[in-house]
Formats: sequence, structure tokens, C-alpha cells
Amino acid sequence: ETGVTQTPRHLVMGMTNKKSLKCEQHLGHNAMYWYKQSAKKPLELMFVYSLEERVENNSVPSRFSPECPNSSHLFLHLHTLQPEDSALYLCASSQDIGDNEQFFGPGTRLTVL
Amino acid sequence: SQKIEQNSEALNIQEGKTATLTCNYTNYSPAYLQWYRQDPGRGPVFLLLIRENEKEKRKERLKVTFDTTLKQSLFHITASQPADSATYLCALAPYSSASKIIFGSGTRLSIRP
Repeated sequence: ETGVTQTPRHLVMGMTNKKSLKCEQHLGHNAMYWYKQSAKKPLELMFVYSLEERVENNSVPSRFSPECPNSSHLFLHLHTLQPEDSALYLCASSQDIGDNEQFFGPGTRLTVL
Repeated sequence: SQKIEQNSEALNIQEGKTATLTCNYTNYSPAYLQWYRQDPGRGPVFLLLIRENEKEKRKERLKVTFDTTLKQSLFHITASQPADSATYLCALAPYSSASKIIFGSGTRLSIRP
């Protein structure tokens, strides 16, 4: 509905697993974002890509590793996560960075056991 | 330190009245401010953007004001309806880094029939 899709929608993983979240935008946008949304906390910006180059990395632990192979796809690779990493992970895109509206995907609900 | 505060965690009003939500910020010089709506289990949806040199923006029943002296934005929904019930988020980005978007924690609005 918004032109931004995310898979999987739900993910349960152990602390020793490696998994990846995928985001795809069909809007022809140049900028893509990863956010983390935990209960009772504001949306936290994790990473920003513009034209496939990372422009923001908000002090995110190295167990989260983003990848942007082209302007339509964004991945978040996860390894050795902690239970406190359980959250809703949202992907968004915008025409460019700056004063442009962001289009969000539905999110991946991640549970780390 | 830099902070965004949405004053009410929850707001409950009667259908037909005007809902007014507040977003205050400190230690920022925002280039622009955005308002989003988020329904449970979904990603945020963009509503309005207002730039630093604009005082007011309107879109149908929505109105946003931006007072850089008070460091405050007000978001109004006139003739409110139960379908307007959702969490409303404000977000801003500083001049120093247009991609470094920061979100408030949101106000949960409930419109009772």
C-alpha cells in the first residue's frame, strides 16, 4: 500500500543466530532508512543511505550491519543479538534526504530469545 | 542536551471537537518539522511538513503551526472523528544534518463517539 515492503514481518531468533531483514521500495526514491521502535520509546534512526552510500550511522552496535546493494533494496544483517534488541524494525524511503516525506514499510517484529 | 517532547502521552476528546497536540524541542535549530500518524502494528504515515520559515500549514482538517521562538509546533485536527484515533508523532531534523531525523515519543489520541 505504501510502496515499501519488508520481509519477514515477524522473526524469532536466538542470540547465536544470523538473520537478515529485507526492505524494498518501489517508489524510485534515492534515500532509505532503518529505524528501531521499542515499546515506550521514540523511533530511533539507525542508518541512512543516499544513492547507495551510507550517510548516517547513529552509534549502532556492530551486531547490526546494513547493506544497500542498489537504491531499491536495503538489508539489515543481524548476528549475536541480545534480548534487548527485540523491537519493531522499520524501513523507510524518501525521494532524497532532507525535507522530504518518508514512506514507511510495515516493519519486522523481531524477538530475540 | 537535544530533546523533543510531545507533551501528552495520551489525549482523549469528544468527537467533533478540535484535537490539539504539542511538540516542543530544545537545543535544536530545526530546518523542518514533520508530523506522522501511526496505527498499531503499522509503520508511520506522513501527514504534514512545515519548514523553519513557515508559520502555518493546512491540509483538509489538519493544521500545523511552527513557532521557532517558542520552539514549539502545534498540530490540530478539527471536527475530529473516531477514525482519527491513532498515535501522532512529530519529527525534526537540524540544519547541521538534514538526514539526522529525530522523532518524539508520540501522543496517543482517542476520539470518543
